[in-house]
Amino acid sequence: DIQMTQSPSSLSASVGDRVIITCRASQSISTYLNWYQQKPGKAPDLLIYDASSLQSGVPSRFSGSGSGTDFTLTISSLQPEDFATYYCQQSYSTPPTFGQGTKVEIK
Amino acid sequence: QVTLKESGPALVKPTQTLTLTCTFSGFSLSTSGMRVSFIRQPPGKALEWLARIDWDDDKFYSTSLKTRLSISKVTSKNQVVLTMTNMDPVDTATYYCARHTNAYYQFDSWGQGTLVSVSS
Repeated sequence: DIQMTQSPSSLSASVGDRVIITCRASQSISTYLNWYQQKPGKAPDLLIYDASSLQSGVPSRFSGSGSGTDFTLTISSLQPEDFATYYCQQSYSTPPTFGQGTKVEIK
Repeated sequence: QVTLKESGPALVKPTQTLTLTCTFSGFSLSTSGMRVSFIRQPPGKALEWLARIDWDDDKFYSTSLKTRLSISKVTSKNQVVLTMTNMDPVDTATYYCARHTNAYYQFDSWGQGTLVSVSS
């Protein structure tokens, strides 16, 4: 199985900050990388697919980049509703695997 | 509008078999390309994919759990059923079903999740 490693595990940031979360795969996955946002008590929501494609309805302050083994999720200007946990997930092979999550908290 | 909802017991005893049903609307599992997966999340922990069933009845399972899992569909009822045998307290988790429309596991619609606790 492909291992996905996110960093940091948590971060504190203020409204308006630029936030960058990284995700590393244990082997090359091309651009088969998705990002999800999960709020407490809720199911995850798909934000980014294929490393950099924005899911319909997702604000443009979210962006993704990377290929091969290294990927990033960027929130250009953090909003109050963005405080949540973010997960990367590889869709290159079965079984799909998730990172351990990055919790974005209010500073 | 696509919706999915999981149902099943909130509490099971160790060694028992868990049966979860995912009931969905807004799409059909007889449509080419449609797929439904089950994913779980232990309290405070990360997401773990469990199993997938495709429109053509292809099935795929978690490497570590495949001997305990079985997934099936009832197309006429818009339902997918997951069974997990020999439940253990470490299987305590919120169980989700999710839809994806290609083989690349882009989960674009999720159920609300159902918490299953394993305890005697």
